[in-house]
Amino acid sequence: DSGVTQTPKHLITATGQRVTLRCSPRSGDLSVYWYQQSLDQGLQFLIQYYNGEERAKGNILERFSAQQFPDLHSELNLSSLELGDSALYFCASSVAGDEKLFFGSGTQLSVL
Amino acid sequence: AQKVTQAQTEISVVEKEDVTLDCVYETRDTTYYLFWYKQPPSGELVFLIRRNSFDEQNEISGRYSWNFQKSTSSFNFTITASQVVDSAVYFCALSDSPMNRDDKIIFGKGTRLHILP
Repeated sequence: DSGVTQTPKHLITATGQRVTLRCSPRSGDLSVYWYQQSLDQGLQFLIQYYNGEERAKGNILERFSAQQFPDLHSELNLSSLELGDSALYFCASSVAGDEKLFFGSGTQLSVL
Repeated sequence: AQKVTQAQTEISVVEKEDVTLDCVYETRDTTYYLFWYKQPPSGELVFLIRRNSFDEQNEISGRYSWNFQKSTSSFNFTITASQVVDSAVYFCALSDSPMNRDDKIIFGKGTRLHILP
C-alpha cells in the first residue's frame, strides 16, 4: 500500500459529461502529480501541484483542470468528455524536493 | 526537451533466464534524475530505483541491477534469474529539473515483460 488514495476506482460515464477524480496524498507529502495512462500513449504527465500551487504542467487538455486544497488532497476535473478520454488516471505524491513518486491505484475512466 | 525511449514494447523469457530492459533518454540538463517503476498486473506503479546524473555507479539490489551510462544516455535494467512474479510492465522515467520548481517527470511507454514458467 503506497499510502496514496484515489477515488473512485472505476467510473463509467457518457460523452459530454463532467467527472471529478479525487486523490489523497501520503501523509506529509506536499506534491501531487496527475498522470493519464492509455494503451497508445503510455503514461502521460498532466499536472503537478505543490502545497496548493500549480508547479508543472504537461499535456493537459483545456477541458481538464485540477486543484490542490489546503488539506493537500487534489481533484482532477474532466469536462466535455470524449471517447478518447477513456483511460486510467493515476495520482502520485512525493515529499517536497524528492521526485520519488508514490502512486495510487488509479481511477479507470470509461467514457461511453 | 525531455524524452525517454523504451524500444522494447514486449519481451518474453523463460523463468530463470536473465533479461535486460533498455532505456534511452534525452535531456539538455546536466542535472537530472532517472527512475524505474514496475506496474504489476494489479495496476499500481511501484518505485524501484532513482539515480541522479552525478552518480554513474551501477547498482545492484538482489536480482535487480541497473547500468547507467551517460556516454550513451542509457539507464538499463537487468533482472537476473527471472521469476514469474517479475511479470509486469516496467517504466523508465526522467526528471531533468530537480533543482527547479518544475518537477515534471516524464515516463517512457513501458516494456511489458512476460516470464514464462
